[in-house]
Amino acid sequence: DAKTTQPPSMDCAEGRAANLPCNHSTISGNEYVYWYRQIHSQGPQYIIHGLKNNETNEMASLIITEDRKSSTLILPHATLRDTAVYYCIVRVLPNTGTASKLTFGTGTRLQVTL
Amino acid sequence: NAGVTQTPKFQVLKTGQSMTLQCAQDMNHNSMYWYRQDPGMGLRLIYYSASEGTTDKGEVPNGYNVSRLNKREFSLRLESAAPSQTSVYFCASSPKGNGLSTDTQYFGPGTRLTVL
Repeated sequence: DAKTTQPPSMDCAEGRAANLPCNHSTISGNEYVYWYRQIHSQGPQYIIHGLKNNETNEMASLIITEDRKSSTLILPHATLRDTAVYYCIVRVLPNTGTASKLTFGTGTRLQVTL
Repeated sequence: NAGVTQTPKFQVLKTGQSMTLQCAQDMNHNSMYWYRQDPGMGLRLIYYSASEGTTDKGEVPNGYNVSRLNKREFSLRLESAAPSQTSVYFCASSPKGNGLSTDTQYFGPGTRLTVL
């Protein structure tokens, strides 16, 4: 799986959009970009994933550059509850019968403030 | 639906003691995983089970054993605990990897283990 690079920390004012960048310059054509977050003392929570098209769900939007070497997770209206560590993970989906291992880095610690 | 449950939530052991961490999921997922997370670090995969009856080593398997008891349950055993195994342990599960972009891992709340 490709290596990812994220800033160690970011701040965002409550109500504003939080834009979390991720570099994955060695990504291969069949590797997906996944985002998870971990709120303090809890297990990681899935947010969103994509291959090459931009994706949106009820939690966030994922913008992937055309060359797929970087992506941005967007939380459109950050709240205090969004304070967490956000992990960007690049991985190949497994074949049938195999397991989908995730490799977590150290992520970006997002602090949402009043 | 409880999702992924883990027991116990907290545990303190003395060096050399043994214990088993329990994990269960009620989502009918085929694959299950055990991770550990040390302070200020990301999660590291210890063992995983692609399907009932199979287990494989992850990134940091030394000092651990696992058992996939049935489709629902996946336990992690420390035979002789060491202070280096002080960590937070997370169990996760995911649907069968069928090549579709729906293979998401769901995590339990974690077990906080201290080895003195």
